[in-house]
Amino acid sequence: NAGVTQTPKFQVLKTGQSMTLQCAQDMNHNSMYWYRQDPGMGLRLIYYSASEGTTDKGEVPNGYNVSRLNKREFSLRLESAAPSQTSVYFCASTLTNQPQHFGDGTRLSIL
Amino acid sequence: DQQVKQNSPSLSVQEGRISILNCDYTNSMFDYFLWYKKYPAEGPTFLISISSIKDKNEDGRFTVFLNKSAKHLSLHIVPSQPGDSAVYFCAASARDYKLSFGAGTTVTVRA
Repeated sequence: NAGVTQTPKFQVLKTGQSMTLQCAQDMNHNSMYWYRQDPGMGLRLIYYSASEGTTDKGEVPNGYNVSRLNKREFSLRLESAAPSQTSVYFCASTLTNQPQHFGDGTRLSIL
Repeated sequence: DQQVKQNSPSLSVQEGRISILNCDYTNSMFDYFLWYKKYPAEGPTFLISISSIKDKNEDGRFTVFLNKSAKHLSLHIVPSQPGDSAVYFCAASARDYKLSFGAGTTVTVRA
């Protein structure tokens, strides 16, 4: 019973490189989310997908794109990475009216 | 502007005593509140929640209190145990189910 799985766990990029963070859930949840966590700021919502086929911007969407590939998978893409995007990225999923379940994060450093 | 605030970055408590974590919010549309616990290198895990129609919810050693007029909630852990040492995040959502997080409080339980 894996829950929410994020890949990769760690990544180092150079400024300007592109990267896709993968997220998959096996709980048959309809909604999925991407957050970033920076020191002293808690988690901030980047994008979310309320259901398969829909995506919406969250609080800090600039510099990111997402794809809800199917009900299980929700990917986050950095087209041209910037040092300000150095962060820990968390994916989460949920059913309506239920608490969100989180993956263990992707630690991304951009040099 | 941060809508959920945890003004105490850290809390140290002796094993067996009570831990009290506080959280304030500014958005009057929030009607669902959660506490998450996070260990290093892991994702946040759901701890306890409360809806705005209640003022208290208990689950074992954990109790959450909500004061809507003051826009304040607190988490009580009694008795505190060494395994409770972690970062605790307060989160809130309105009917759109998008979570806004506080910056977190690091709890250290001393033997």
